[in-house]
Amino acid sequence: AQKITQTQPGMFVQEKEAVTLDCTYDTSDPSYGLFWYKQPSSGEMIFLIYQGSYDQQNATEGRYSLNFQKARKSANLVISASQLGDSAMYFCAMRETTGNQFYFGTGTSLTVIP
Amino acid sequence: ETGVTQSPTHLIKTRGQQVTLRCSSQSGHNTVSWYQQALGQGPQFIFQYYREEENGRGNFPPRFSGLQFPNYSSELNVNALELDDSALYLCASSLKTGTPRSEQYFGPGTRLTVT
Repeated sequence: AQKITQTQPGMFVQEKEAVTLDCTYDTSDPSYGLFWYKQPSSGEMIFLIYQGSYDQQNATEGRYSLNFQKARKSANLVISASQLGDSAMYFCAMRETTGNQFYFGTGTSLTVIP
Repeated sequence: ETGVTQSPTHLIKTRGQQVTLRCSSQSGHNTVSWYQQALGQGPQFIFQYYREEENGRGNFPPRFSGLQFPNYSSELNVNALELDDSALYLCASSLKTGTPRSEQYFGPGTRLTVT
């Protein structure tokens, strides 16, 4: 089974609107971390936000927030007030305590429309 | 604080050749991970080095090997290159904390083309 599933290959959002990018994960490890990265066309992966499996509150970082639903094993990224510079690939990733690797999803391409 | 750097930026090799990619980790980080990202895909974990020893490996054949040096910089070596090895190779450094919160900082990547 896939560790990380991102079911939206591409998304469009109007500038200044909010958008939600979906991510579901699969793990039997009770302790894990969930990450979102942004990858512009230049290729570099930029860390956006982190959610720990034991965190009681949903993570927020500026315009980014994470809608963490542990029972559903979902960790959706919400970008508020979209900007043209938000156009990029977005990857959800997970790291389990028992292992050393990050598992990445296949990504969602976000296009912000002026 | 210097970020993660990788060299070279681009590389073209012929099938069967060998290649070495280099990565300098961020200051203060003791762990380096390497990823392969094929076009249109998410990064796939190759392996991780911690204090100069391999500390985890993904589903890659032995012709993918690596090194980490005392200054925590790292090399990725790929022998007997195949066409499917064409990809963006990303290096990420982190500080091993023993928790999942170990955030990774990525370099700009090396784009390898095998012809």
